[in-house]
Amino acid sequence: QKEVEQNSGPLSVPEGAIASLNCTYSDRGSQSFFWYRQYSGKSPELIMSIYSNGDKEDGRFTAQLNKASQYVSLLIRDSQPSDSATYLCALMNRDDKIIFGKGTRLHILP
Amino acid sequence: SAVISQKPSRDICQRGTSLTIQCQVDSQVTMMFWYRQQPGQSLTLIATANQGSEATYESGFVIDKFPISRPNLTFSTLTVSNMSPEDSSIYLCSAGQTNYGYTFGSGTRLTVV
Repeated sequence: QKEVEQNSGPLSVPEGAIASLNCTYSDRGSQSFFWYRQYSGKSPELIMSIYSNGDKEDGRFTAQLNKASQYVSLLIRDSQPSDSATYLCALMNRDDKIIFGKGTRLHILP
Repeated sequence: SAVISQKPSRDICQRGTSLTIQCQVDSQVTMMFWYRQQPGQSLTLIATANQGSEATYESGFVIDKFPISRPNLTFSTLTVSNMSPEDSSIYLCSAGQTNYGYTFGSGTRLTVV
C-alpha cells in the first residue's frame, strides 16, 4: 500500500456546491497532515495543516482528520471556478519526511 | 509560513553538464526538502537537506548525482550532475516547521538537451 492515497479524479463539482476531497494513509506513526493546492504550471501552495483528530476550519476550507481510520479529508464550501486545481494530500511520516499523494484534480463547473 | 526564493526559475542545459539550484528562506527553518515533479505527476522526494550534516537521500537518488548543501538554517542548494535528458523535470525545494507547515519555492524547470 502506498503511504498516501488519493483518487486522481477529475472530480467535477457545480459552482456553489461543496467539494469533498479524500485521502488515506498507511503509516499510523504519521502526526502531521497537510493539504496543498497546485495550479497548472505553479508550485504547490499550502492551504491547510491539521495535527489532531477532528475538524479544522479556515474560511471556506475545512480539514478533517480521523487517525483511527487513517483518513484525511478537505471540504471546500461554496466552490468557485478559481478553486479548480489539483489538490495534494501530504503527511509527515515517522521518519520526518513529507510524503505526497498523487493529487486529485478538481473541476468547478460554472 | 516561510517564504522561499528559488532560482533559477528555468534553464536549458547541455547533457553532461551540471546545474545548481538555490533556495533561500526568509527565516530559520528546521526542515528543508528537495522534490522532483514530472509534468502531470505528483512530487517525488529526492532528499532531506540536513544542516551541518550530509543529506538523507531517498531510494533511487544518490549523492554523486544530486549533491546537496545546507550550510545554515536558511539556505540550501541542489546540484543536478552529469545531466541527461531523463533529468528534465521541475525541481522544487520545500521548507518549514512542523507546527507551521511547509511551503514551496517557485520551482526550477530544467530541460536537458
